[in-house]
Amino acid sequence: TQLLEQSPQFLSIQEGENLTVYCNSSSVFSSLQWYRQEPGEGPVLLVTVVTGGEVKKLKRLTFQFGDARKDSSLHITAAQPGDTGLYLCAGGQGTQFYFGTGTSLTVIP
Amino acid sequence: KAGVTQTPRYLIKTRGQQVTLSCSPISGHRSVSWYQQTPGQGLQFLFEYFSETQRNKGNFPGRFSGRQFSNSRSEMNVSTLELGDSALYLCASSSNRGGVGYEQYFGPGTRLTVT
Repeated sequence: TQLLEQSPQFLSIQEGENLTVYCNSSSVFSSLQWYRQEPGEGPVLLVTVVTGGEVKKLKRLTFQFGDARKDSSLHITAAQPGDTGLYLCAGGQGTQFYFGTGTSLTVIP
Repeated sequence: KAGVTQTPRYLIKTRGQQVTLSCSPISGHRSVSWYQQTPGQGLQFLFEYFSETQRNKGNFPGRFSGRQFSNSRSEMNVSTLELGDSALYLCASSSNRGGVGYEQYFGPGTRLTVT
């Protein structure tokens, strides 16, 4: 059962543009992680949010956890080619994690 | 601290064979999870081990099994390989970081190709 839906599934933008990726669920999570994955490599943890309404910033990346802890968003400002990759959200319920469907981002120079 | 390591990185097997993949977690992490990643299905949870005990299990057939040793290193085994088992197998170790709960850190994965 896929508990987390991400949108959009694919995104191709020009360098310098802004974008937002959404991660939605009908389930409540105790934590929400965002990862970025390069082809053939394992996902790399970007951030963990645990409090409803929490906002975390990591340079040009802004992460928000929904008030009800069911959804999250990732906003990238002034995207760069180095941001290219597969972005995955994961909802945590204790020690079990449920992964989203993924958003494949391509930033064109 | 060294990250999660997985061996081998690449593996080619034929249908019907069996395979064993290995994972060494980050030092101090006692929980190890395994995932299968394919283009069509995304990341699918296989199982989680904690202190040598399987704590959670995903919806995979019994051909997929695992174990964890006293030093937290883990292995997963797939018997009677099928073409559909071709995938990137990822291992993740986790620990409780207090205020943020559990966080998972992934290894580079083992790319298994079944021919």
